[in-house]
Amino acid sequence: SQQGEEDPQALSIQEGENATMNCSYKTSINNLQWYRQNSGRGLVHLILIRSNEREKHSGRLRVTLDTSKKSSSLLITASRAADTASYFCATDLPSGANSKLTFGKGITLSVRP
Amino acid sequence: DGGITQSPKYLFRKEGQNVTLSCEQNLNHDAMYWYRQDPGQGLRLIYYSQIVNDFQKGDIAEGYSVSREKKESFPLTVTSAQKNPTAFYLCASSMMAGMNTEAFFGQGTRLTVV
Repeated sequence: SQQGEEDPQALSIQEGENATMNCSYKTSINNLQWYRQNSGRGLVHLILIRSNEREKHSGRLRVTLDTSKKSSSLLITASRAADTASYFCATDLPSGANSKLTFGKGITLSVRP
Repeated sequence: DGGITQSPKYLFRKEGQNVTLSCEQNLNHDAMYWYRQDPGQGLRLIYYSQIVNDFQKGDIAEGYSVSREKKESFPLTVTSAQKNPTAFYLCASSMMAGMNTEAFFGQGTRLTVV
């Protein structure tokens, strides 16, 4: 079973608009990470937020984490056509020697020029 | 030039054959992972390793085997016991599992059973 569940499954917006993607998870985590994948390629790390952090920024990216609701959101501001990709959240579980990185099913973002 | 390299990029296998996918990293990372990606399924964890000579099963380990004889290398064998092996396979590494570090991914191997 997958730990993270992203929402929505697909998102289509106009260039210049903001894109908001959500992720919910089931168990306690060390951190939550967001990744991007262009079609047929490997994943690229975007941002990591630790369990004791509530908000983090990186360029046009803003990530929030609510551990009480077990949820996170990724906001991409002023979107560009080049932001078109799949986005995944991943949770790093605090299971000690068996800590592992688990991914959700992903969100397909289309940014129309 | 540091990174994580998967080979081959495309692989074709006849039914009943075992095949081995290569994953090599020169990032001096302790943890390495293998994921399988199917359309609409996201990434599912097959095996992971936090240290040389040790590895753990992920969520879908049946029909797969791995070894971790060297820190740099984590090959994945898809055995004939894997009923539906056609998929996109991704290898990743990180500095140390559970230590708030990002994972780096290879470019993937697309395996097709013919």
